[in-house]
Amino acid sequence: QKEVEQDPGPLSVPEGAIVSLNCTYSNSAFQYFMWYRQYSRKGPELLMYTYSSGNKEDGRFTAQVDKSSKYISLFIRDSQPSDSATYLCAMLNNNDMRFGAGTRLTVKP
Amino acid sequence: ETGVTQSPTHLIKTRGQQVTLRCSSQSGHNTVSWYQQALGQGPQFIFQYYREEENGRGNFPPRFSGLQFPNYSSELNVNALELDDSALYLCASSLDGGNQPQHFGDGTRLSIL
Repeated sequence: QKEVEQDPGPLSVPEGAIVSLNCTYSNSAFQYFMWYRQYSRKGPELLMYTYSSGNKEDGRFTAQVDKSSKYISLFIRDSQPSDSATYLCAMLNNNDMRFGAGTRLTVKP
Repeated sequence: ETGVTQSPTHLIKTRGQQVTLRCSSQSGHNTVSWYQQALGQGPQFIFQYYREEENGRGNFPPRFSGLQFPNYSSELNVNALELDDSALYLCASSLDGGNQPQHFGDGTRLSIL
């Protein structure tokens, strides 16, 4: 079993749809949870950074953390074609950050 | 604010050779972490440097080594290159190591022939 599990997709949605991306993890030592967006031929771009269980909202993005279930989610509202990218979940315990494999998202106009 | 920059953007080497990749951290950041990203996979942690000292290492052999300079820029050195070393090498900078958010450069794509 991988330490961080993420469905690789691909996921294809129409413009304006609500997108739900998810990761599960096995190591309860992880304390900080992040979502990164990676466009083709680019480095990962930090979208959300959270610590506690609960929700954090930033514009069209909402990150959700459930530490008791070891489950994190990212919701994208009113998705746009510019949101088409690979989304990586990441979990941090001190200096050791572990990533999921990434979910490839395509938003069709 | 200057972001993380990496050089070169692309590199082609042959098996057995050695390579040095470079990273300039975001202004104000004193910690640099290096990652290897194989095609279709998430990045894997190689090691982190904080104030010029190695501050944690992932599951990579000793032929992967690094340096951090007084201006917080960093180098990743890989000796005795193998075909499996072909990947995107990413550098990320952060403040004061530990659990701070990390910001990535666009990486160096290394191909081994």
